[in-house]
Amino acid sequence: ETGVTQTPRHLVMGMTNKKSLKCEQHLGHNAMYWYKQSAKKPLELMFVYNFKEQTENNSVPSRFSPECPNSSHLFLHLHTLQPEDSALYLCASSQAGLAGYTQETQYFGPGTRLLVL
Amino acid sequence: KNEVEQSPQNLTAQEGEFITINCSYSVGISALHWLQQHPGGGIVSLFMLSSGKKKHGRLIATINIQEKHSSLHITASHPRDSAVYICAVKQTSGSRLTFGEGTQLTVNP
Repeated sequence: ETGVTQTPRHLVMGMTNKKSLKCEQHLGHNAMYWYKQSAKKPLELMFVYNFKEQTENNSVPSRFSPECPNSSHLFLHLHTLQPEDSALYLCASSQAGLAGYTQETQYFGPGTRLLVL
Repeated sequence: KNEVEQSPQNLTAQEGEFITINCSYSVGISALHWLQQHPGGGIVSLFMLSSGKKKHGRLIATINIQEKHSSLHITASHPRDSAVYICAVKQTSGSRLTFGEGTQLTVNP
């Protein structure tokens, strides 16, 4: 148990559906991240939120829409996804200094395994 | 070519064996992380290194900044060590982590 929870753990959706992934951290951290892990590929950073502000969008398609209402919660809203978006989506958090989240250890959630049909 | 390369990609060992997983990188870094991912998907941070060596239980991580290389060693391996081990670097130019593809370790009883 890392202190980062994600729901749902598994999700199957059609290409016309709208769904949301939720992440919650109980560690008092101020930075949160969304990562995508596709089969046989390295982890890819999608979004970073620092003190609730989005500080990084790694050229992610607009069909993925993040939301960070407070420093403990992070959402990833999904709409009109494609089958190639099927992957494991991991949330992480860290305690970042004012200069950024440079060297802090990130704590990962268990991930949401997404299948788009 | 990836900026972070791990070897081997797959490793099978017998219980009790000494295991080494290697990570090489081609960029300037300020820190290197070793992560462990279990079959369910959750990732646990094992070590963060910027120099030298760290030890935690049966796990040892070393880094050679000049050679741009890090190793993760597992002594007296156990089937519960079976997981994917991921190397990630924090580049000096920028603030994101760059990940290797991971090494799938299977330890047989």
